[in-house]
This record gives sequence, structure tokens and C-alpha cells, in this order.
Amino acid sequence: DTEVTQTPKHLVMGMTNKKSLKCEQHMGHRAMYWYKQKAKKPPELMFVYSYEKLSINESVPSRFSPECPNSSLLNLHLHALQPEDSALYLCASSPRFGGNLVPELFFGEGSRLTVL
Amino acid sequence: EDKVVQSPLSLVVHEGDTVTLNCSYEVTNFRSLLWYKQEKKAPTFLFMLTSSGIEKKSGRLSSILDKKELFSILNITATQTGDSAIYLCAVPSGGSGGSNYKLTFGKGTLLTVNP
Repeated sequence: DTEVTQTPKHLVMGMTNKKSLKCEQHMGHRAMYWYKQKAKKPPELMFVYSYEKLSINESVPSRFSPECPNSSLLNLHLHALQPEDSALYLCASSPRFGGNLVPELFFGEGSRLTVL
Repeated sequence: EDKVVQSPLSLVVHEGDTVTLNCSYEVTNFRSLLWYKQEKKAPTFLFMLTSSGIEKKSGRLSSILDKKELFSILNITATQTGDSAIYLCAVPSGGSGGSNYKLTFGKGTLLTVNP
């Protein structure tokens, strides 16, 4: 079983809805990530939080809004999404981020999002 | 731009066969290469390779890195139906000040093991 827990596992939303994806880890990791994965494509980095501060935003549209309330939790707030935003959203964590450390990532099972 | 290229993109074998998956890369400031297995959902970590020529092994899986030729292979012997998955290769890349913050993934190899 993965030690990174994501909820919900599936989400269907309309383009005018506001919803949130949640991610939790209790491994004491200080870096957390959001990745987006479209069908038959590799994961693509969206955001990185390090020590609860946003370190990286890979030019993600503002309709995706990340939040890191504490070191164990990572949220992704969704508003006014488009059908092309439908994808598997993967949360990951790593012990640390930056410097010379290679980010060995531990992934959650993902939240499959469908935007109608 | 950093690149990770995996081949083949898909592979169908029978149980008991041995398979070799390939990953080639072009990145600035190479540090390591990682292999992940992705079944229905989350990618799970398999190996991290940093040194050329040193084989990493875990059960029926093994992997080796060639930093001169810029590639890695993942071998699976005596395949089982449970090995069916997408195998992703990734290399840390990007970042400023020498920090490799981003994992650049290849497109993956879809392995199907039939009984």
C-alpha cells in the first residue's frame, strides 16, 4: 500500500464547479509535489512545495491553485476547469527537495479527474 | 532541452520470457536515473542508478547504467502476469544553482505478460 494517500480517487466536475483534491503523507517528508498525467503519457510536474512553501510552479494556469496547510497535507483547488484538464492527478512526496539531492518520489494512487 | 526516450513503447510476452527495456537520455548535469513501475495507478519506485556498470538487482528485476553511451536497461527474467505494467524511466533535470528539481520522465514501456 502506498504511504501517500489521495482523495477522492475519482472526481467528475462541471466547468463552473469548484472542487479540491487532497493528499496526505505521514513519512515525515518535507517536499510534496503535484503531477498531472494524461492517458498514455508520462507524468508532468505541476507544483513543488518544500517545507510548506511553494518552490516551483511549472507555469500552471491559475485555475489550479495549490495549498500546503502543513507538512503532511497538500491540496489542489480546482476552479473553472476545462475538459482538456481531465487527467490523473498524482501527488508525490520526497524526503527533501533541492540542492544536490535526487528527488526519489513516493507517489499516491492518484485522483482521476473528469471535467464535463 | 532534456530528453528521456524509452523503447520499445509496448511489448507483449509470455510468462517465463525474459525482457529488456531500454532508456536513453540527454540531460545537462546528469546525476542519476530512476526506474518506476506503474500499474493501474501510482508509479512505484524500482531503482535509482548513479554509477556506470554497477548492476542493481531486486528479485527478478535488474538494471544497469552506461553513462558513456547515455542509456540504461531494465531486465526482467522469468516474467509473470503480475509484471504487466508501464515501466517509466526518469532523470532529474532542470533547476537553477545546480539543483535537479524536476524528474523528466520517458513515455514508458507498456509491458503485457500473457499466461
